[in-house]
Amino acid sequence: LAKTTQPISMDSYEGQEVNITCSHNNIATNDYITWYQQFPSQGPRFIIQGYKTKVTNEVASLFIPADRKSSTLSLPRVSLSDTAVYYCLVGYPNDYKLSFGAGTTVTVRA
Amino acid sequence: GAGVSQSPSNKVTEKGKDVELRCDPISGHTALYWYRQSLGQGLEFLIYFQGNSAPDKSGLPSDRFSAERTGGSVSTLTIQRTQQEDSAVYLCASSLGLGITSSGETQYFGPGTRLLVL
Repeated sequence: LAKTTQPISMDSYEGQEVNITCSHNNIATNDYITWYQQFPSQGPRFIIQGYKTKVTNEVASLFIPADRKSSTLSLPRVSLSDTAVYYCLVGYPNDYKLSFGAGTTVTVRA
Repeated sequence: GAGVSQSPSNKVTEKGKDVELRCDPISGHTALYWYRQSLGQGLEFLIYFQGNSAPDKSGLPSDRFSAERTGGSVSTLTIQRTQQEDSAVYLCASSLGLGITSSGETQYFGPGTRLLVL
C-alpha cells in the first residue's frame, strides 16, 4: 500500500500563513494531488487539487515542485475557523486503495 | 442537488449483533467509496464501487464485513457479529467515476455513521 507522509500537527495564530507539506515519493505520472479538510463530526471536504506548479483558489494555494514528489498546501491569513485536520490524497498506479495521509491537525489560536 | 447522505447518523448496538449502514451517493456519481475512521485516527479505505462492481474487497477488515451496491446508486455496508473494535465512524463518499487510479476525481463525503458497539 503506497503512502503519503505529512506532519502530525501544526500550531498557528490568527492572521498567519500556514504551510503543510506532504511527501509522496511514488506518485504516478497521471496522478493528481488533492487536499481535503475535516472538521470534528463531519466528513472531509475538498479544498484544492493540482497536478504540477501552482494552483490557487479562494481558499488556499497548492505548490508542487517539478519532481512532484511533494506538495505544499498554503492557507493564507488563517482564522480560528480554519482549525481542522487536513488530508493529502494522491492516487497510485494499480492501487485501488486511495492513500489518505494520516492528516495534519492544524490549530489556530487567537 | 443533494449531497451524499448516510443513515443512520448514529448506531449503538450490542456485541455480536449485525448492523447495516446505508449510503445514498450524489445522483449521477458512478463511483462510491467506504472508509472507516476510528477516534482520533485518519481515514482507512474499506472498499470502492464502480457502478455495482467492487474491483477489490481486500480493504475490508475481516470476513464479517461485506458491502453491496444496487442499481448503481445506494450502497449498504454490513457488519456481522459486531465487535467492540468495530466502533468507529463509517464514512461514505462518491465521485463521478472517471478512474480510481487517478485522484483527479473529487470525492464528496457524507456526514458519516457513528457506530458504537457495547
